[in-house]
Amino acid sequence: EAGVAQSPRYKIIEKRQSVAFWCNPISGHATLYWYQQILGQGPKLLIQFQNNGVVDDSQLPKDRFSAERLKGVDSTLKIQPAKLEDSAVYLCASSLTLGSTEAFFGQGTRLTVV
Amino acid sequence: DAKTTQPNSMESNEEEPVHLPCNHSTISGTDYIHWYRQLPSQGPEYVIHGLTSNVNNRMASLAIAEDRKSSTLILHRATLRDAAVYYCILRGVYSGGGADGLTFGKGTHLIIQP
Repeated sequence: EAGVAQSPRYKIIEKRQSVAFWCNPISGHATLYWYQQILGQGPKLLIQFQNNGVVDDSQLPKDRFSAERLKGVDSTLKIQPAKLEDSAVYLCASSLTLGSTEAFFGQGTRLTVV
Repeated sequence: DAKTTQPNSMESNEEEPVHLPCNHSTISGTDYIHWYRQLPSQGPEYVIHGLTSNVNNRMASLAIAEDRKSSTLILHRATLRDAAVYYCILRGVYSGGGADGLTFGKGTHLIIQP
């Protein structure tokens, strides 16, 4: 079974530029999550989707971050404009549905803002 | 979600058992105890979870104190591939309709010596 796919693996941008990350969850998984992991810390949930609807975006900095899952499968997370403090690993995860025991994570995209 | 406390780091020798502690004194009666681990340059992966009784699976065992205020993840015979950050996470029983993202702490960095 293919896992959660994310791209790119690495990205370096200058501050004030924009960047987008892509995630393809495990086939058939209705729930998709985006997490931000700053170096030395555990992942922090940014946004959660159930199919193409947002379940929770309370920790998403909406002035600069946006995310969509238009067809309920793939998802993109965008940052515009980026700040130095956005340097982190962005992890995508999926689960079968809400309340499922196990979430499956991708390898993440490492973003460096210079 | 209630808070957990874990040691920042632990060291063990290869092929020996490892006991990773987690304190969760404010756990509620419906909180499940989940463990995830994060290998270097990878996303987190599910290890095990339990409610009251001790649990075993192919990866590890979970021992839960009778008062549920602490738990221990047991790796029966550690290998170098078990070197990772281990996260203990409390997760309330899902009652439908809301978010179910994971709340990660800093976890325990497990170092395995050959």
